[in-house]
Amino acid sequence: GESVGLHLPTLSVQEGDNSIINCAYSNSASDYFIWYKQESGKGPQFIIDIRSNMDKRQGQRVTVLLNKTVKHLSLQIAATQPGDSAVYFCAENVAGGTSYGKLTFGQGTILTVHP
Amino acid sequence: DSGVTQTPKHLITATGQRVTLRCSPRSGDLSVYWYQQSLDQGLQFLIHYYNGEERAKGNILERFSAQQFPDLHSELNLSSLELGDSALYFCASSPHGGNEQFFGPGTRLTVL
Repeated sequence: GESVGLHLPTLSVQEGDNSIINCAYSNSASDYFIWYKQESGKGPQFIIDIRSNMDKRQGQRVTVLLNKTVKHLSLQIAATQPGDSAVYFCAENVAGGTSYGKLTFGQGTILTVHP
Repeated sequence: DSGVTQTPKHLITATGQRVTLRCSPRSGDLSVYWYQQSLDQGLQFLIHYYNGEERAKGNILERFSAQQFPDLHSELNLSSLELGDSALYFCASSPHGGNEQFFGPGTRLTVL
């Protein structure tokens, strides 16, 4: 059949606002959940990760929240800047075994920050 | 700049052909990963090598193969190319295995 392109969710915010990007995951066995950012024309770039036994982790201007009950992950970006405009991917990692190093990426969310 | 280099940047070829994509990891990184990014499938893990040995495999087609050499650079070989193989191919590296992988700029493959 005909393949169609992924229709990525989009989020548009004003500079200085806080952004929240959401992700639903499927694998309850994942040990880590990770956020990556991909700017136009570049490879993905690691932002932050969280272990499955935690529910919150903070970095510089970013906070990741994990709700295992509903299999939901979110990335909060404080004081969003135009340079934050990119596609944001959540990813899962099962540590060890035959899946060692294998990141399973979600479809991505396009974040656009307006000055 | 992640420190990971990939060549070539662009590659245009015909169906049925074979190509080799090359990756040099960051200095000191022992792990190399290959990913495919396409419009319809998103970003998909292909394979992971650690210090020359295969460690994990994703949904990599049998027409595709990879290796990591003693100097730790890696090559991804794609053969009997089909139109659907057109995509961005990323290489990433990390010191060992792990969540923080450093991605190269990618090779854009176009199969005509």
